[in-house]
Amino acid sequence: AQSVSQHNHHVILSEAASLELGCNYSYGGTVNLFWYVQYPGQHLQLLLKYFSGDPLVKGIKGFEAEFIKSKFSFNLRKPSVQWSDTAEYFCAVSGYSTLTFGKGTMLLVSP
Amino acid sequence: EAQVTQNPRYLITVTGKKLTVTCSQNMNHEYMSWYRQDPGLGLRQIYYSMNVEVTDKGDVPEGYKVSRKEKRNFPLILESPSPNQTSLYFCASSLSPDPASGGELFFGEGSRLTVL
Repeated sequence: AQSVSQHNHHVILSEAASLELGCNYSYGGTVNLFWYVQYPGQHLQLLLKYFSGDPLVKGIKGFEAEFIKSKFSFNLRKPSVQWSDTAEYFCAVSGYSTLTFGKGTMLLVSP
Repeated sequence: EAQVTQNPRYLITVTGKKLTVTCSQNMNHEYMSWYRQDPGLGLRQIYYSMNVEVTDKGDVPEGYKVSRKEKRNFPLILESPSPNQTSLYFCASSLSPDPASGGELFFGEGSRLTVL
């Protein structure tokens, strides 16, 4: 069975700071990876996904993630965060018929 | 508008009183799933369905039932709710029976359940 580990439970940044959220996974088969975001009081939305090809994936709102197979990692990055990026971020890995989520990282961006 | 609709959005109930949380999607998706979200534990899958009349257990199925009689609906049933089922529940759907190949999951707005 697959599993996902997110490094930080809470991250606090000032606006314009750079962001990197760590995600490591374990899965024995071909891996598909996702980052979802949950804004306060809302449902989860897809930020970006990796299925194959270029390991650097660009998503919405200026986010990107890099798949490093040798490190079993799929870290999320953004060069300059905004107050509106305050949200909880979930890394997820898919196996056949299931999608396993990490425990989430709460990002608070102060103006 | 493409969406996943859950009802009720908020519910307070008492131990042992059967309840059903409905989930409906209008995207003709094959795959549907239920998750519960708890602080510090992230999202954990309860049940999923790859097609009509096909359901399977996720990571935390105890105390829950589901059914998939129609493609668009996937209700979550708590036969005898207990306080440890107090949680935020999300229904989700995906085009492909295998979310690994079918792309993203579309989530409902969530149902916050409190069991006293």
